[in-house]
Amino acid sequence: AQSVAQPEDQVNVAEGNPLTVKCTYSVSGNPYLFWYVQYPNRGLQFLLKYITGDNLVKGSYGFEAEFNKSQTSFHLKKPSALVSDSALYFCAVREWNNNAGNMLTFGGGTRLMVKP
Amino acid sequence: ETGVTQTPRHLVMGMTNKKSLKCEQHLGHNAMYWYKQSAKKPLELMFVYNFKEQTENNSVPSRFSPECPNSSHLFLHLHTLQPEDSALYLCASSQEAEDEQFFGPGTRLTVL
Repeated sequence: AQSVAQPEDQVNVAEGNPLTVKCTYSVSGNPYLFWYVQYPNRGLQFLLKYITGDNLVKGSYGFEAEFNKSQTSFHLKKPSALVSDSALYFCAVREWNNNAGNMLTFGGGTRLMVKP
Repeated sequence: ETGVTQTPRHLVMGMTNKKSLKCEQHLGHNAMYWYKQSAKKPLELMFVYNFKEQTENNSVPSRFSPECPNSSHLFLHLHTLQPEDSALYLCASSQEAEDEQFFGPGTRLTVL
């Protein structure tokens, strides 16, 4: 069975500094990987995805993620953090089920706190 | 927002009540999902519908009953819930041929 791990419950970073939110995965086939962000009292918003191709994926709000097959990682990064980036971030891996279709398995989430 | 709406946004109910959560997507997608988000657990997939047919029931108790009358609407009928069912219930949709799921804002459910 596939799984996703986000080893950090919370990441603290100062505004203007680079940020990294970690994600590792375990899948049986080729990984389809996603990052979502959740602001307070809101649903999840899609940030970016890796399906194939370039290992560095660029997404919304200046975020990017690097796919590393040998380390089975898909860490989320941003060169310069903003206070408004403070939110809950979820990594997910897609599994294609012949019956159910597109199914996502989510990590436990990492809370990002950006301080002024 | 993302084109997926959920009502109500907040719901408080007793254990003997019957209520329903509603989800509507305006994106032309053909797959819809119910997730449960609790404070201490990762997002849990509950149900999946593809082309209005339920294709996944992730060992969800029978006190949760989904309904998908058409590809744009999804309901979650609730009856005789337990306090541990209190959570944020998220609806999502996707297009079969694509990968991203688009989420609604959720319904915050409190069971007294």
